[in-house]
Amino acid sequence: GAVVSQHPSWVICKSGTSVKIECRSLDFQATTMFWYRQFPKQSLMLMATSNEGSKATYEQGVEKDKFLINHASLTLSTLTVTSAHPEDSSFYICSAVPGRGLHEQYFGPGTRLTVT
Amino acid sequence: LAKTTQPISMDSYEGQEVNITCSHNNIATNDYITWYQQFPSQGPRFIIQGYKTKVTNEVASLFIPADRKSSTLSLPRVSLSDTAVYYCLVGGRNNDMRFGAGTRLTVKP
Repeated sequence: GAVVSQHPSWVICKSGTSVKIECRSLDFQATTMFWYRQFPKQSLMLMATSNEGSKATYEQGVEKDKFLINHASLTLSTLTVTSAHPEDSSFYICSAVPGRGLHEQYFGPGTRLTVT
Repeated sequence: LAKTTQPISMDSYEGQEVNITCSHNNIATNDYITWYQQFPSQGPRFIIQGYKTKVTNEVASLFIPADRKSSTLSLPRVSLSDTAVYYCLVGGRNNDMRFGAGTRLTVKP
């Protein structure tokens, strides 16, 4: 149980285009999802907290107009990187917290984004 | 927010017990302590979670002293496949889930 999927697992796009990454909780409902990015040899950096049915809360320094987050249902959150640039190339990871009881996050497998 | 401090790296040998300690001096009353394991190019995997004293599951034990200002993840009889980065995370449902630098564990044959 508690499986989180991400799609795509990797994507290459050209500079200036937009890319959407999906995060799904497959066997539980997630009222809260988190989006992280991770550069090589570094820790995960929290980008935003996404709550179902409300606007995402972005961390300081993360541009909300560039990283659009939508949490339209209890099992799906999407991250859209708009007007991507090479510096946006990174490993993007989502996580989901079950609606009640447990406190731990369940992580997706990550999405490798390369912007050329 | 409780900030965590862990050793940057640790080395061990197959079959040994490994203990990784995390300091979290500013832990709040409602915070839980959770440990994750991450392999390269994969999302972190939940290992264990606790609030106080000792928690044990099939893969690890978590020791938390009474003041809860630190915690120790214990991995019994590690193998080469346990080589990974281990993160200690302190927080609760409504707290930001920020990761520290993590501990890079290398298990040698």
